[in-house]
Amino acid sequence: EVQLVESGGGLVHPGGSLRLSCAASGFTFSSHWMAWVRQPPGEGLEWVANISPDGRDKYHVDSVKGRFTISRDNAKNSLFLQMNSLRAEDTAFYYCARSESHSWFYWGQGTLVSVSS
Amino acid sequence: QSALTQPASVSGSPGQSITISCTGTSSDVGNYNLVSWFQQHPGKAPKAMIYEDSKRPSGISNRYSGSKSGNTASLTISGLQAEDEADYYCSSFAGSSYVFGGGTKVTVL
Repeated sequence: EVQLVESGGGLVHPGGSLRLSCAASGFTFSSHWMAWVRQPPGEGLEWVANISPDGRDKYHVDSVKGRFTISRDNAKNSLFLQMNSLRAEDTAFYYCARSESHSWFYWGQGTLVSVSS
Repeated sequence: QSALTQPASVSGSPGQSITISCTGTSSDVGNYNLVSWFQQHPGKAPKAMIYEDSKRPSGISNRYSGSKSGNTASLTISGLQAEDEADYYCSSFAGSSYVFGGGTKVTVL
C-alpha cells in the first residue's frame, strides 16, 4: 500500500524557516517524480514544486522561487521542502504527492504551516 | 501561471448529470492533453478522478468522464449520488509548471 506521511509543519514568524518532510513507503520511491502541493485553509490548491526521480531536475512555482527548495533522499525514501523567508501568504496545508502522467494519484494527509507574528 | 477558471458552484438532483467546466489558455489546457480532475471532501486530501484529459485512474467509477475542446476542459458526473457532493479542482500541465482551477463546489440537492 502506497503511503505518504508529511511532517514538520507548525507556527513560524514571518521571515522564518521550516523544513517539511515526507516519508514514502509501499512503492519504489526512486522511480517516481514527486511533488508538493499546498492549500490555504478554506481555499484552492496550488502546485508548489516537483522533482525528478534522481533529484537532478527541480521546478518551483514562481511565487516561491528563491525561497523554497524541493529535494529528496532516495536512500531514505524521503521528500523534503526547505522553506525560507516565509510570508503570511505561505500559510497552508502542504501535501506531498506522487506524480504520474502529469497528475497526482497518491497524496499524504497534509501538514499545516502557519506564518504569523 | 494564472489559475484556470471554474464555476464556483454547480448543483444537481440525485440521478441527474452535471458538468463542470475548466477554462485555460493555449499555454496550458489547449496545448497539452494533460488535464486532471480532483475530488476533495472536507478535511480530506484530494483524490484524482481523471487524468490526461479523459482517463480514469484504477477504481474510479465510470460515472466520471472528462473531455476537452480547445482551451476548455470539462468533467461530467452522471447518475449524481450524495457521495459526489464535494469540491472539484482541475489542473493542467503548463510546460515545466502546473496550474489549478479555483475549485467548484458540487451540491447534491
